[in-house]
Amino acid sequence: DIVMTQSPDSLAVSLGERATINCKSSQSVLYFSNSKNYLAWFQQKPGQPPNLLIYWASTRESGVPDRFSGSGSGTDFTLTISSLQAEDVAVYYCQQYYSTPRTFGQGTKVEIK
Amino acid sequence: QVQLVQSGSELKKPGASVKVSCKASGYTFTSYTMNWVRQAPGQGLEWMGWINTNTGNPTYAQGFTGRFVFSLDTSVFTAYLQISSLKAEDTAVYYCAREGPHYAIDSWGQGTLVTVSS
Repeated sequence: DIVMTQSPDSLAVSLGERATINCKSSQSVLYFSNSKNYLAWFQQKPGQPPNLLIYWASTRESGVPDRFSGSGSGTDFTLTISSLQAEDVAVYYCQQYYSTPRTFGQGTKVEIK
Repeated sequence: QVQLVQSGSELKKPGASVKVSCKASGYTFTSYTMNWVRQAPGQGLEWMGWINTNTGNPTYAQGFTGRFVFSLDTSVFTAYLQISSLKAEDTAVYYCAREGPHYAIDSWGQGTLVTVSS
C-alpha cells in the first residue's frame, strides 16, 4: 500500500498570508505513460463532506479559487493557499489514486492565527 | 449537476446490520466507479473500497472484508453499503463518492452517520 504522510498536522496562518501543506507518498504516483501524477487534494470543513480542490497534483477543479494551487511530482507534493481567507479554515487531505487501496494522508488542520 | 444523496442517520445495537443508500443523479450512473469512505469521529478519511457500477464488481480495502458489502440497483441509480454484525468501532460517518472522469473523486454524498451503541 502507498502511505501518504502530510506535514504539518496543523498550522495557524494570519489572514492574507500564505499557507503551505506538504504531502509525501511512500512510492511514486507518477504514471510515466501519460506523465500525470495521480494525486488529489481535498478540503473538508466541519460537518461537511470533503470537497475536491486539485487533481493531477496541480489542476484546479472548476470553481475552486485561484489562491489554491498544487505542485510537485513523483513522491513530494505541496498545496499552497496564497492568501488565506477566513473561509479557508478547514482540514486538508491529500489522496493518491495511482493504485488501490486509494490512500489518504492523515489531514492538516488550517486555522487563523 | 452531479448529486449524491445518502440515506439518513442510523442508530443500531451491536450485532445488528445496517444498509446505507446513495442515490446518484445528474450523470450516467454506470459510467463512473463509486467509492465508499469512512470517517470515524474526530478522525481522518479512510478508503473502504469501490464498486464498478458497470459490472457490479466490488473491491474491498483491507479491514473491510467479510462484514462489508457494496451493491447496486442500477434501475434506480443507487449504490448501497451494508454492514453486518455491527460493532461499536463501526460508529462513523460513511460517504459515497464518485470517481470522476479524471479518476480523482470529484463528488461526495453528504455522509451518513451510523452510531452503534447498546
